[in-house]
Amino acid sequence: DARVTQTPRHKVTEMGQEVTMRCQPILGHNTVFWYRQTMMQGLELLAYFRNRAPLDDSGMPKDRFSAEMPDATLATLKIQPSEPRDSAVYFCASGAGERNEQFFGPGTRLTVL
Amino acid sequence: AQSVTQPDIHITVSEGASLELRCNYSYGATPYLFWYVQSPGQGLQLLLKYFSGDTLVQGIKGFEAEFKRSQSSFNLRKPSVHWSDAAEYFCAVGGIGTYKYIFGTGTRLKVLA
Repeated sequence: DARVTQTPRHKVTEMGQEVTMRCQPILGHNTVFWYRQTMMQGLELLAYFRNRAPLDDSGMPKDRFSAEMPDATLATLKIQPSEPRDSAVYFCASGAGERNEQFFGPGTRLTVL
Repeated sequence: AQSVTQPDIHITVSEGASLELRCNYSYGATPYLFWYVQSPGQGLQLLLKYFSGDTLVQGIKGFEAEFKRSQSSFNLRKPSVHWSDAAEYFCAVGGIGTYKYIFGTGTRLKVLA
């Protein structure tokens, strides 16, 4: 049963610390998305990649957030330094083909104290 | 402007009753339309999708949706709701040549026993 995996599932950290979230897309999928979900803002697209190249990261605060795909099986989202307002659930999704149905991972729940 | 509107933030129905969740979209090209469901603490699961052809599409868990181009709507329906359907439901629109979805703000469904 192919699915997107994300680690860690939960992360509690203190303000100012670096946080790295990882995503393994479904094998063969070449589009990867990072979303953030909060009660106030709902679901926001932070960035996405196609064939490992970043296509759009306009939703991401550039000063502290960075997203990369070191290889086709791993996407990372890094926050440095973290702030309490970054507390949210971060989802990774992957897709393939022209219709690009997106399949979501279970999310990483981040709490910044 | 491209947008998705889910006018009902909360809906409560009794178990066994029928359900309709509304979704209206504004999109400049031929839309691809999706419904996702999110149970508490979980990621988003794809319920159904519309790309072209038959405007009534069937999905998983007994859900269906009807695409009405003239009304710019893609409403989700289920003839008889089960307690396990309590969750949040998201409508999304995408299109040819874009990998991004535009998500609605979600409708939270409560099911009364």
